[in-house]
Parts: sequence; structure tokens; C-alpha cells
Amino acid sequence: GENVEQHPSTLSVQEGDSAVIKCTYSDSASNYFPWYKQELGKRPQLIIDIRSNVGEKKDQRIAVTLNKTAKHFSLHITETQPEDSAVYFCAADNYGQNFVFGPGTRLSVLP
Amino acid sequence: ETGVTQSPTHLIKTRGQQVTLRCSSQSGHNTVSWYQQALGQGPQFIFQYYREEENGRGNFPPRFSGLQFPNYSSELNVNALELDDSALYLCATRGEGPYNEQFFGPGTRLTVL
Repeated sequence: GENVEQHPSTLSVQEGDSAVIKCTYSDSASNYFPWYKQELGKRPQLIIDIRSNVGEKKDQRIAVTLNKTAKHFSLHITETQPEDSAVYFCAADNYGQNFVFGPGTRLSVLP
Repeated sequence: ETGVTQSPTHLIKTRGQQVTLRCSSQSGHNTVSWYQQALGQGPQFIFQYYREEENGRGNFPPRFSGLQFPNYSSELNVNALELDDSALYLCATRGEGPYNEQFFGPGTRLTVL
């Protein structure tokens, strides 16, 4: 089955700087890679996703890149703001059935 | 916020007891997945239901069982509770097709004493 690794586990950046979170997956059959943001005590919320036929996708300050050959994908947040502070999870689909999540990255944006 | 709801919000049980958690699906969503999220970890897939049939299961023992009803709402049942079952239990629903966005409910925080 699919296995997803995520780095770093914690990340602190100054407000206005960029943040990058990297994930690797094991199953080359995976085709869909969502990213979730989870604030303390709240549900995970989808912030961006990418499908295997696309190498990069951008939505305002957030972008995701995918390298299918290397089996890794990354989340890029530019011009970080204090409200970006949260735990971020990457995930990969498991044969189109369910999702396998990474262990999470705790992002702290320092004012 | 999504249209996915869960009940109860919080629950405290003792070892050996049984618990039932409930999830109400977002309108039009016929697929529901249940996840266990231990503190400081990512969600772990328990099982998935599609049109009232279980069609995928993660690495969880048989004491974790579920149901999906004709209106696509769902239940997660856990028998013989253990201390390690303490976690946030999340359901997520999505529409037809394998790569559609899934919407999470707010979760049920289960504490086993």
C-alpha cells in the first residue's frame, strides 16, 4: 500500500518569508495529491490539490509542485502571514479509494 | 464550513465499553471514509463505505465496524475499547468518482479511561 513521508515536522518562519513543505510517496499508481490545513481543534481543510497530469498548480500565495518520476510533491507558501500558522498535511490517493496522509508539519509564522 | 456533521463532539468512555459515532454526509455525497487521528499525527484510514457497502479498509482490527444508511449517513462502532483508541475520529464524504475532493466533518474527540 501507499506510504507518505513529510518533512519537516516543524517549521518556523518570519512573517513575509516563504515556507516549503516536502512530501514523498511510495506508490507510483497514486494520481491525486491534496494538501490540508488543520488549525488547533478544527477539521482538516483542503487548501490545494494536484493531479498527476499537472506539474504545478498555484492559488494566490499557495503553490504545489509534483515530480512523478521522483515521487515527491511540495507545498510552497509565499508572503506568509500569522494566520498561516497551523498543521499542514499532505496526502496521496490509494488506488483512488482512500487517502494516505503524511505525519504533518507544524508551521509557525512569527510576527 | 462543509455540510458534514458529526456527533457527539466529545465522548468519554472506559476500557472495555462500546461506542457509536455518527456522521451526516454532505448533500450528494455517497462515499464516506472514517479516519482516526491520534494526537500529533496525521489521520489514519479506518474504512470507507460507498452506497452502503464497505469498499476499503485500513489496518484496523474487526472491533472497528461501520454502517452506511440509504441517506448516506454513517456510523462507526468500536467494541472493547482500549486506551489507545483515544483519538479524534473524523469522517469525510465525497461525491461519485475516485479523485473528488473529500470534505471532513468536525470530528468526535474520544477519550478512553
